[in-house]
Amino acid sequence: GIQVEQSPPDLILQEGANSTLRCNFSDSVNNLQWFHQNPWGQLINLFYIPSGTKQNGRLSATTVATERYSLLYISSSQTTDSGVYFCAGNAGGTSYGKLTFGQGTILTVHP
Amino acid sequence: EAGVAQSPRYKIIEKRQSVAFWCNPISGHATLYWYQQILGQGPKLLIQFQNNGVVDDSQLPKDRFSAERLKGVDSTLKIQPAKLEDSAVYLCASSARSGGDQFFGPGTRLTVL
Repeated sequence: GIQVEQSPPDLILQEGANSTLRCNFSDSVNNLQWFHQNPWGQLINLFYIPSGTKQNGRLSATTVATERYSLLYISSSQTTDSGVYFCAGNAGGTSYGKLTFGQGTILTVHP
Repeated sequence: EAGVAQSPRYKIIEKRQSVAFWCNPISGHATLYWYQQILGQGPKLLIQFQNNGVVDDSQLPKDRFSAERLKGVDSTLKIQPAKLEDSAVYLCASSARSGGDQFFGPGTRLTVL
């Protein structure tokens, strides 16, 4: 199966700062998602982005499928952005819809 | 639109006991997934259903774990007997189609003592 690496593992910011999270894949993916896991454990969908660029408010994401990586940008961070950010991909074929997750980036935003 | 529902939210049992978790996916979603998330790690797929058929259970410990989705809607995941290493959050997700974006429920946090 595919391997997913996320960086950095931990990130500490002051409120208002910008940040970039990265996700590398060992193989091509035909489904790529970014999630935010809040302190209560809920996984919240941020983006479904197998390729291209999307934006939603202060968050945006870019996936370069040919180079097997995706980036999540957070601008003007707020304390409510704190939590764990996961990327996950599906390689298609016999892996069906199975998502393989990275280890996550733990984001802490201080007021 | 209602999201993925799971119950119970928390469960504490002793090792060798049995436990069951329930999931109701988003209405109309044909694909249902059960993931296990151990503290400090990303979720790992246990089993995937397409309607009421299993399409991937390669990482399900079948000697103790079982799952069913009898009518192609809600699903039950069972552990019998539980081990200490089964302590984790069990997440249910659904998607409209296999390979489509997945939406997760709030999870069931299991503690095995």
